[in-house]
This record gives sequence, structure tokens and C-alpha cells, in this order.
Amino acid sequence: SQQGEEDPQALSIQEGENATMNCSYKTSINNLQWYRQNSGRGLVHLILIRSNEREKHSGRLRVTLDTSKKSSSLLITASRAADTASYFCAVGGGFKTIFGAGTRLFVKA
Amino acid sequence: DVKVTQSSRYLVKRTGEKVFLECVQDMDHENMFWYRQDPGLGLRLIYFSYDVKMKEKGDIPEGYSVSREKKERFSLILESASTNQTSMYLCASSFAGPWRKESTGELFFGEGSRLTVL
Repeated sequence: SQQGEEDPQALSIQEGENATMNCSYKTSINNLQWYRQNSGRGLVHLILIRSNEREKHSGRLRVTLDTSKKSSSLLITASRAADTASYFCAVGGGFKTIFGAGTRLFVKA
Repeated sequence: DVKVTQSSRYLVKRTGEKVFLECVQDMDHENMFWYRQDPGLGLRLIYFSYDVKMKEKGDIPEGYSVSREKKERFSLILESASTNQTSMYLCASSFAGPWRKESTGELFFGEGSRLTVL
């Protein structure tokens, strides 16, 4: 299975701190994506990194990809209470986008 | 903005009932997907479709069927609902697969349909 597995399962931080979430996967991939889900809602795409890229930025988000270790990390800098959500990595792309179980992030105001 | 609309946010059905979950997208996407989401299990792919009238099984198709009669609409059908199908169902769509250079692989999701089967 190419399933991404996030670590940690849950993370609680203070507003203003940085949050780091990790994702590991098992097989070769075309791309890796990160999604966010607010409680009881659908998923929203945050960022996509291709297999030939090592790092990508989008606003307060920084994603790294290490294909040799089959791992990725998502860094949210200067977190806000509104960042409270579940974050999922997803590997593959196209038809077979496989999601992990997610990291629940709680940002305390 | 891309919009994926799921017809019902919350449904309560009885065991054995036939259930239809409807999904419509307005971005002319070729691909459409149905996932179910359960605590601790992430999202699991039930079925997907890459063209009108085309469908492919995902990882957990048992107990489900789908219909795609029009490009913008993808329906998930539970022929005889069971309690273990109580879940959150998420529809998604995307542009065509990796053979198109402009494809990003990004999925656009609806708000989800929470189904309870009693």
C-alpha cells in the first residue's frame, strides 16, 4: 500500500508556536499532497510537492519531501487558533490518491 | 471557485434501505471519486470514475455501486444499507490523470454526507 501515515496522531500547541507534522509512505510516488479538514467538513487542498522537488512554500506552510526516506513534513509557522484542524498527507495523485489517518492539530489561543 | 456539492449533509436510514448519495461538480472535471472516512482509518476510496459511464473499483467497493450518467454528476448507491456503512462519505473531483501535463492531482472535496444506518 502507498498509504501515507502521519505522525503525531495529535498535537497541541500555543498560538504563535510552530507546528510540525510528518508523513511516511511505502512505495514510489508521483507527488505528495497535504490537505486540511475542519471538524465535520470536507478536505481542502493545501499544497502539492512533486517527487522531483525537495521543498515548497506557501504562505505560512513549508513542505519538505525526502524520497530516499519516503517521508514528508508539513511545517505551519506562527500558528493561529484558526489552524485548529486535522491535516492529512496524501500520496499518488491522479486516480489513486491514498490518504493517511491524519494529525489532529489543536492551537490554543 | 471550484464547487463540489453533495446533496445531503446528514442522513439517517434503516438497515436494508436503498440509499442514494449525490455529488455534483461545476468545474468540468473528468475524474470523480467517492471516499468514506472513519475515525482512525483515514479516507478509503470506494469507487472512482474517469469519464461518463466509466467506473472503477477502489479499495472498498463491496456493498456499494456508482452511477455517472453525466460528466458533472457522480452518485453513490448503497443497495441495501447496513450498520457498518455508517460513516462520513466524501465526494471529490479532479482534472484528468497524469498523462495530461497540466494535471496537478489536486482533489476538490465536497462538504461530506454523514450517513447513519440504524
